[in-house]
Amino acid sequence: QKEVEQNSGPLSVPEGAIASLNCTYSDRVSQSFFWYRQYSGKSPELIMSIYSNGDKEDGRFTAQLNKASQYVSLLIRDSQPSDSATYLCAVRGSNYKLTFGKGTLLTVNP
Amino acid sequence: GAVVSQHPSWVICKSGTSVKIECRSLDFQATTMFWYRQFPKQSLMLMATSNEGSKATYEQGVEKDKFLINHASLTLSTLTVTSAHPEDSSFYICSARAAVLTTYEQYFGPGTRLTVT
Repeated sequence: QKEVEQNSGPLSVPEGAIASLNCTYSDRVSQSFFWYRQYSGKSPELIMSIYSNGDKEDGRFTAQLNKASQYVSLLIRDSQPSDSATYLCAVRGSNYKLTFGKGTLLTVNP
Repeated sequence: GAVVSQHPSWVICKSGTSVKIECRSLDFQATTMFWYRQFPKQSLMLMATSNEGSKATYEQGVEKDKFLINHASLTLSTLTVTSAHPEDSSFYICSARAAVLTTYEQYFGPGTRLTVT
């Protein structure tokens, strides 16, 4: 059973701070990893994808991947109240199927 | 680009009736479409994978006779919830994978909220 684990939170950070979201996965052969943001009542929105070990930056977002540790994280710099949402970690397996974690609820306080 | 639509966005139906949900890729051809279900405060659970022109592949525990999936063209897949019951009330989300591989491989629709009374 392929599993993706995330801290459910809630994670609360003040506006302007760095929010750090973590995810571990069980399938050692996984190669593709994704972070989605989901606002309440809405469908997921892709934030970042990462395929290689190391860091990948896109604006205020940085994804970090460590395949040896089976760990992927998402850093959000200069957090804004509009970043308040549930962040879902997803791992792509065979046949392009995505396995999602349960998500971490992030609250950014003004 | 890479827009996926779903219709309807929400639906209320009576127990025992059937409901059809459409998923369309508007500006690309979708080799594969995925159907997810999400209960309140839970993550997305993959229900089935459908490839154009072939039978859908259902995940373990998903009743294929209850959740009928048709993927008749490269831009349209439908999910029919047959004989719906209150426990089928959920947020149903489709995603589509482009025929041409891109970095963002799956594009999600806006979801359909089903309430069965």
